[in-house]
Amino acid sequence: SQQGEEDPQALSIQEGENATMNCSYKTSINNLQWYRQNSGRGLVHLILIRSNEREKHSGRLRVTLDTSKKSSSLLITASRAADTASYFCATDYYNQGGKLIFGQGTELSVKP
Amino acid sequence: DAGVIQSPRHEVTEMGQEVTLRCKPISGHDYLFWYRQTMMRGLELLIYFNNNVPIDDSGMPEDRFSAKMPNASFSTLKIQPSEPRDSAVYFCASSLFSDQETQYFGPGTRLLVL
Repeated sequence: SQQGEEDPQALSIQEGENATMNCSYKTSINNLQWYRQNSGRGLVHLILIRSNEREKHSGRLRVTLDTSKKSSSLLITASRAADTASYFCATDYYNQGGKLIFGQGTELSVKP
Repeated sequence: DAGVIQSPRHEVTEMGQEVTLRCKPISGHDYLFWYRQTMMRGLELLIYFNNNVPIDDSGMPEDRFSAKMPNASFSTLKIQPSEPRDSAVYFCASSLFSDQETQYFGPGTRLLVL
């Protein structure tokens, strides 16, 4: 299976703290994406980082990509209770025809 | 735009019955994906279409599952006969060719097979 691994599986922090989630993948990629899923809802695209990029920002989100280690991290700064959700990384591998392989997700709980 | 629309939102059926899940992608999107999400297996891609043509159905678990896309604005995922292990949340997603990496997900159909 080419499914990547995410850690931690669960993370509980206080409002205002930063949250960091990590994702490792198996082989060469075109890009890596992060999605958020609120309980009982569909996934929402957050950010995409291409294989030739090392860091990307979007509002309070910062994503890094280390292709030598085949890993990515998502940092949410100054977290809010509304950030409580599951976060998934999804990889677009070279040989997968554009389809995404999702990780198992990190469940983030931000306490007010 | 209303986003990706799925129906029904919830479905409870008995083992052996036929189940049909429906999806309306975002207008103008060229790609349509069907996923299944369970606690044990996470989010799995079942099949995806490009311009109404199935491209990769390697994730379809078995012959009991079939998917069609008769036109650009409608797709169905059918399970016949259904089994308790098919209980899951089924998501449909669509994307635009020029931005095919970003997928837009529907709210999902929560299926329970008794």
